[in-house]
Formats: sequence, structure tokens, C-alpha cells
Amino acid sequence: GENVEQHPSTLSVQEGDSAVIKCTYSDSASNYFPWYKQELGKRPQLIIDIRSNVGEKKDQRIAVTLNKTAKHFSLHITETQPEDSAVYFCAAITNFGNEKLTFGTGTRLTIIP
Amino acid sequence: ETGVTQTPRHLVMGMTNKKSLKCEQHLGHNAMYWYKQSAKKPLELMFVYNFKEQTENNSVPSRFSPECPNSSHLFLHLHTLQPEDSALYLCASSQDKVAAQPQHFGDGTRLSIL
Repeated sequence: GENVEQHPSTLSVQEGDSAVIKCTYSDSASNYFPWYKQELGKRPQLIIDIRSNVGEKKDQRIAVTLNKTAKHFSLHITETQPEDSAVYFCAAITNFGNEKLTFGTGTRLTIIP
Repeated sequence: ETGVTQTPRHLVMGMTNKKSLKCEQHLGHNAMYWYKQSAKKPLELMFVYNFKEQTENNSVPSRFSPECPNSSHLFLHLHTLQPEDSALYLCASSQDKVAAQPQHFGDGTRLSIL
């Protein structure tokens, strides 16, 4: 089955700087990669996703890149703000046969004012 | 956003009790999921229902029993739980379980086993 590894587990960034979170996956057939943000005591919320037919997707200050050859994808947050502090989870899914989202272990991002 | 609603938000129960968690989605989705979230572990998928039919049981102990009476409601019946079952239980829904649709989560039920 799919295995997703996420790094780092914790990340502290000065407000205004950029943050990068990286994930690797094991199943080369995986073709959908969502990122979720979970604030303390709240539900995970989808913030951005990417499918395997594109290499990069951007939504305002958030971008995700995908390298299918190396089987890794990354979340980039630019101009970080205090409200970006949360736990971020990456996930991967294979469309055919087993449509099960496999999550990474999460990254606790702290934005230092 | 109140698309996926879970009750109760918090539950404390003894190991011999029987209780149920409820999830309701108002998004018109056809697939619903139960996840377990423990500290320092990835979200663990427990069960998947698609059009009311269970399509995935991720080796979950029988002390957890899911029920999906229709596409909008999902229950998780609990009995004789163990202390290691203390966790946040999250419900999610998606349009359907094919074509990798985004999943929408509820706020979860924080379960504590005494």
C-alpha cells in the first residue's frame, strides 16, 4: 500500500518569511495530492490540492509542487502570517483499485511575530 | 462551514459502556468516512461508505461498529473500548469515492476512555 512521509514534524518561521513542507510517497500510481490545514481544536480543512498531470499549482500565498519522478511534493507558503500557524497534513491517493487517502504525520507550523 | 456535523463533540466513557458517535453531512455527498486521529500519528482511515455500502474496513477491531442508514448519516457504535482508543474521531464526506474528490471533515468527537 501507499506510504507517505512528511518533513519536518515542526517548523518555526519568522512572520513574513516563507515556509516549505515536504512529503514523499511510495506508490508511483498515486495521482491526487491534497494538503490539509488543522488549527488547534478545529477540523482539517483542504487548502490546496494537485493532480499528477500538473507540476505546480498556486493559490495566492500557497503553492504546491509535484515531482512525479522523485515521488515527492511540497507545500510552499510565502509571506507567512500568524494565522498560518497550524498543523499541516499532506496526503496521497491512487485512483484505481484503492481510493484510500494516506496521510503524512503532519507538520506543526509556528509563525513567530 | 457546517457541511459536516459531528455529535457529541466530547465523550467520556468507561470501558464497559456502549455509546454512539453521529455524523451528518449536508453537502449532497455519496461517500462518508471515519478516521481516528491520535497524537503524533497520521490520520488513520477506519471505514469508508459509498452510496451506503461499506467499501473499506481498515482492519478495525470489532468493538467499533459503523452504520450508514443513508448517504447523509454515518454512525460509529462503540462498546467495550480500551484506553488506547482515546482519540479524536473525525468524520468526512466526499462527492464519491472515485476520481479522488476532496474530502470535507467534521469537527470531530474527542473520545476519552476511563
